[in-house]
Amino acid sequence: QVHLVQSGAEVKKPGASVRVSCTASGYTFTGYFIHWVRQAPGQGLEWMGYINPNIGDTNYAQKFQGRVTMTRETSISTAYMELSSLTSDDTAVYYCAKRLNKRTDAFDVWGQGTMVTVSS
Amino acid sequence: DIQMTQSPSSLSASVGDRVTITCRASQDIINKLNWYQQKPGKAPDLLIYTASSLQSGVPPRFSGSGSGTDFTLTISSLQLEDFASYYCQQTYNVPLTFGGGTKVQIK
Repeated sequence: QVHLVQSGAEVKKPGASVRVSCTASGYTFTGYFIHWVRQAPGQGLEWMGYINPNIGDTNYAQKFQGRVTMTRETSISTAYMELSSLTSDDTAVYYCAKRLNKRTDAFDVWGQGTMVTVSS
Repeated sequence: DIQMTQSPSSLSASVGDRVTITCRASQDIINKLNWYQQKPGKAPDLLIYTASSLQSGVPPRFSGSGSGTDFTLTISSLQLEDFASYYCQQTYNVPLTFGGGTKVQIK
């Protein structure tokens, strides 16, 4: 079975950085893009960007350019999302999600989510 | 950026009702439209991709239609487990964007 398992909840102070991991199993990690989506409490879904685990290229939403870095370590089938210069507006659940196939960016498998709380 | 407008933002319905949710894109997205269901405290689940393709394992009471700028998610006969929030998403170009969501509540 295909799974994405994320790292645990984080509490950070304003100005700090956070790194969330997403470990894949049950499929060829390098074959499918990994996207990152966040959801602030009581709010909708917001796309942050993606990484191609095969060659490591990325595409970030302009809103996060300069603050977000997506990387991967293929030997352990894990993708990472690091967000810097955190503010209270970054308090949210962060999800990784796998692309369905090469023809569509629909997200067919999601991680369980990682709650990131930014508070002084 | 392509704006996705969902309506209604919430609705109340009974078990067995036919429910329709609409999603409008701010420009032509052909059929690059997906639908997700999300229950409280859980990650979203993919229901429909490329406007009308049913994701594996999703009950056939869910269907999607539309092209261009106007799209519809229909639940033919609402079941208890369908009370949730629903989101549309365009994947025509980046940034990928979601609609604001529709919360389906029990009447």
